Amino acid sequence: DARVTQTPRDKVTEMGQEVTMRCQPILGHNTVFWYRQTMMQGLELLAYFRNRAPLDDSGMPKDRFSAEMPDATLATLKIQPSEPRDSAVYFCASGLTGGVTDTQYFGPGTRLTVL
Amino acid sequence: GQQVMQIPQYQHVQEGEDFTTYCNSSTTLSNIQWYKQRPGGHPVFLIQLVKSGEVKKQKRLTFQFGEAKKNSSLHITATQTTDVGTYFCAGQAIQGAQKLVFGQGTRLTINP
Repeated sequence: DARVTQTPRDKVTEMGQEVTMRCQPILGHNTVFWYRQTMMQGLELLAYFRNRAPLDDSGMPKDRFSAEMPDATLATLKIQPSEPRDSAVYFCASGLTGGVTDTQYFGPGTRLTVL
Repeated sequence: GQQVMQIPQYQHVQEGEDFTTYCNSSTTLSNIQWYKQRPGGHPVFLIQLVKSGEVKKQKRLTFQFGEAKKNSSLHITATQTTDVGTYFCAGQAIQGAQKLVFGQGTRLTINP
């Protein structure tokens, strides 16, 4: 059945390194969300796209984070340089009809550890 | 900004007992969604409520949306070990930023 895929599933890196996370939304979905989950902060929305255009990235630290959708089948979240406080699980989710009230289908997540 | 609070943060019950989690928003919501995340897994959509006072049921799960559209609850009757996980509510404010804000979640553990 259709599902959101994310790579890598786990990433361990050293502080200062660049990290790129990838997401393939469900085919036909036109909205993509990036979330970060930590024990302290819970699920935080970092950014979301509709029809590949960024609609809201107010939850994302702009100095080191960037999110893009090079095409309809790929969304990327990049951290450069990474810091230990970025350690978290990063989820990508996609939605069918194009609004934040749409049902969101989450991927399995990328567990990031920055040493 | 909009805040969504959930209580309790943690709940431990004996299998067969009932469980309820409550969700409160600082602002009036256009709709509320509920998600379940199993340990080590990802959030999975359960249901969406849109109308004031709406009640929906899924087998042993009952979801309610408050009359003022600022609060919601999830009640599980006769819990089973498969109900273990964290339950999140998420709501979008009627006014303001157009984004879904998640509550902190209620983590449910069950003694078999």
